[in-house]
Amino acid sequence: EAQVTQNPRYLITVTGKKLTVTCSQNMNHEYMSWYRQDPGLGLRQIYYSMNVEVTDKGDVPEGYKVSRKEKRNFPLILESPSPNQTSLYFCASSPARLNTEAFFGQGTRLTVV
Amino acid sequence: GENVEQHPSTLSVQEGDSAVIKCTYSDSASNYFPWYKQELGKRPQLIIDIRSNVGEKKDQRIAVTLNKTAKHFSLHITETQPEDSAVYFCAAHPDSNYQLIWGAGTKLIIKP
Repeated sequence: EAQVTQNPRYLITVTGKKLTVTCSQNMNHEYMSWYRQDPGLGLRQIYYSMNVEVTDKGDVPEGYKVSRKEKRNFPLILESPSPNQTSLYFCASSPARLNTEAFFGQGTRLTVV
Repeated sequence: GENVEQHPSTLSVQEGDSAVIKCTYSDSASNYFPWYKQELGKRPQLIIDIRSNVGEKKDQRIAVTLNKTAKHFSLHITETQPEDSAVYFCAAHPDSNYQLIWGAGTKLIIKP
């Protein structure tokens, strides 16, 4: 089944404790991205990747890192999480063609206390 | 860069009535306009899209219209049903890259 898989689905952590949210897709998509979703603010892009070893900042990259060592995986790293990073996070992938559907993962609800 | 505004932020309609959600965009070079539906606790999923060479597209009870001159596009849902309750996002795709620029979302509430 074609899908985007994120883990974990839920995470509660403490301020400053490094964490990684994984994202994997099995559709051979070149383009992958991370979003955070907060009430009233819609989907805001954090980082995106056009292909392996090619990443770029989105609209809200501060406090986040990503890597794209393999085509299928695009982990989101929070080196020192803070409470303002409490949010719902989505990974998405799509082919590197214009005008195509984006496929989203199930979401990760992160709480930083 | 592209900017997408979406209205209203919340829309409450009686079951069976129609619902209309509107989005405006700023970049006249944008050429692809998808709509995503996000049910409570779930991921956004594409429900319909339209390309800039088309003025209207229908799929059963949903339709999208595009006015390139005015730079706005709208989602129309007819004969609304309880399962239409969700958050709907519009987006625009600039011609220059693969990024989608998103509206802030509309929470649609269907009243029984």
